[in-house]
Amino acid sequence: QKEVEQNSGPLSVPEGAIASLNCTYSDRGSQSFFWYRQYSGKSPELIMFIYSNGDKEDGRFTAQLNKASQYVSLLIRDSQPSDSATYLCAVSSFGNEKLTFGTGTRLTIIP
Amino acid sequence: DTAVSQTPKYLVTQMGNDKSIKCEQNLGHDTMYWYKQDSKKFLKIMFSYNNKELIINETVPNRFSPKSPDKAHLNLHINSLELGDSAVYFCASSHTSGGGTDTQYFGPGTRLTVL
Repeated sequence: QKEVEQNSGPLSVPEGAIASLNCTYSDRGSQSFFWYRQYSGKSPELIMFIYSNGDKEDGRFTAQLNKASQYVSLLIRDSQPSDSATYLCAVSSFGNEKLTFGTGTRLTIIP
Repeated sequence: DTAVSQTPKYLVTQMGNDKSIKCEQNLGHDTMYWYKQDSKKFLKIMFSYNNKELIINETVPNRFSPKSPDKAHLNLHINSLELGDSAVYFCASSHTSGGGTDTQYFGPGTRLTVL
């Protein structure tokens, strides 16, 4: 079983709709959860992180964490063509700076 | 001002050669990392240094040798390059509080092609 799993996609969403990206992880000791966005040919850039169960909102982005289900998601509201990218879920444990990444979900926003 | 920089951006070389990739960060961070991203876009950590000390060493062939002359620099030397080493190599850095919560900032990547 992979440590961090994501649906590779591609996920196609109409412009203006909500894009929902999902991630599951296997290590129950995981404490910190990160969403990175990577445009083609570019480096990963952090969108947001979440540590506590529940929702965390930042502009059009909402991260949701459910530690009991070992599930973290990213919602993108009012999707724009510029949101088209690969979204990487990453997980780390307390006291361990190692980030374990999922394989990423390729998101395409259709104008 | 680039926060995390890498040189070169592209590296094309023959099998069996030895090459180095350099990384520098001007963020004042104390931890630096090397990641490998393969053709399927899977990003996997290779090494991590904290204040010039190796703290993470994943299962990587010993042909790969990181070196940190100071906490702002982390270089990666690769001996006897193989076809399977072709990938994009990313350097990253972070401030380390010990809680596993620190954001890592990535460099632009070095695309290595081994012929």
